[in-house]
Amino acid sequence: KQEVTQIPAALSVPEGENLVLNCSFTDSAIYNLQWFRQDPGKGLTSLLLIQSSQREQTSGRLNASLDKSSGRSTLYIAASQPGDSATYLCAVRPRTGTASKLTFGTGTRLQVTL
Amino acid sequence: GAGVSQSPSNKVTEKGKDVELRCDPISGHTALYWYRQRLGQGLEFLIYFQGNSAPDKSGLPSDRFSAERTGESVSTLTIQRTQQEDSAVYLCASSLARKKLFFGSGTQLSVL
Repeated sequence: KQEVTQIPAALSVPEGENLVLNCSFTDSAIYNLQWFRQDPGKGLTSLLLIQSSQREQTSGRLNASLDKSSGRSTLYIAASQPGDSATYLCAVRPRTGTASKLTFGTGTRLQVTL
Repeated sequence: GAGVSQSPSNKVTEKGKDVELRCDPISGHTALYWYRQRLGQGLEFLIYFQGNSAPDKSGLPSDRFSAERTGESVSTLTIQRTQQEDSAVYLCASSLARKKLFFGSGTQLSVL
């Protein structure tokens, strides 16, 4: 059974800092991995998707990397801003079996302070 | 549509009543998912549709929960005889095959 862990559970940084969020998964047989952000009381917004054959994806100040063999993904946020404050979730889609079984991590709650 | 649309955004009901939650996926998206998120907890998978069939409904917590989908369009999640433990945000998502997943804003269900 796939298990996805996100550490730390919560993080507070001052504005302008670069930061890294971690996502670990136990089964490396994944099809892709997706990073989301969730604002309080809202749904999830897709940030980046990395296919299993890719090593990283970039969008603006965000960079996500994937090391499938070690079961790890990181989300790098450059020059953090207060608007980045949210909960960040990663989710893995399996390569085989029921395609529906995306497994989500429990998230990292990020606060960027002024 | 431009995004995944869910209605209502908030629903307050009395224990024992039935509720219907609606999801309108992105046009052309073949896959549709329902998740539940209790306060302060992670996402709990409920059911997955491919077209109008549901190959995986293993996450439905009890026979009080059911869902249907019309073609590759609207889906309805029905909860019968609601209980207080059903209180949660119900999230719908859609994707084209196994590509990027897009979520709606959710329905906040409160059972009194």
